[in-house]
Amino acid sequence: AQTVTQSQPEMSVQEAETVTLSCTYDTSESDYYLFWYKQPPSRQMILVIRQEAYKQQNATENRFSVNFQKAAKSFSLKISDSQLGDAAMYFCAYLAGGATNKLIFGTGTLLAVQP
Amino acid sequence: EPEVTQTPSHQVTQMGQEVILRCVPISNHLYFYWYRQILGQKVEFLVSFYNNEISEKSEIFDDQFSVERPDGSNFTLKIRSTKLEDSAMYFCASTPDRNQPQHFGDGTRLSIL
Repeated sequence: AQTVTQSQPEMSVQEAETVTLSCTYDTSESDYYLFWYKQPPSRQMILVIRQEAYKQQNATENRFSVNFQKAAKSFSLKISDSQLGDAAMYFCAYLAGGATNKLIFGTGTLLAVQP
Repeated sequence: EPEVTQTPSHQVTQMGQEVILRCVPISNHLYFYWYRQILGQKVEFLVSFYNNEISEKSEIFDDQFSVERPDGSNFTLKIRSTKLEDSAMYFCASTPDRNQPQHFGDGTRLSIL
């Protein structure tokens, strides 16, 4: 069964600095998708970034980028120039290609941004 | 930008009562999902729905749970006889294609007393 592991329950970063959140996953599939979702205190789940496993190029979305290492099954999120509004719970999620529909989430990393 | 909307935002129910959580997915989306998040825990998949039928469900989604798309816009989750352990945040999500990102609603916080 596929699993997603986030080994950092909490992280802290100074405003304007860079922080990297870790995620590893376990799968025997070759076709899959990876996502980072942000959940601020308002509780809404917001998509941050998406990576297709068949793409070697790391996804980038403004200040957010990923380091996707397929062989190592690692998918870390880098947040550059951190802002106070980045404070939230961040979830890494896996979606297998093919017939299944379900997202498998990690346990989350709570990011605090210090002014 | 279109959003997934969920009502109510908070539902308080006595144990053993039936509860219906409502969702309006984004209008051109075809795949619909329910997830739940027990306080302090990770988000867990409950069920996916496509073409007016359940396409996948987890072991959590037992006979107490059911889903329905009663009309062209609403997608509901019913819990027939609620238990204390059903207390959680329930998220609805939708996507136009199952390989596209799922868009989540704000969630319904269900509290069972």
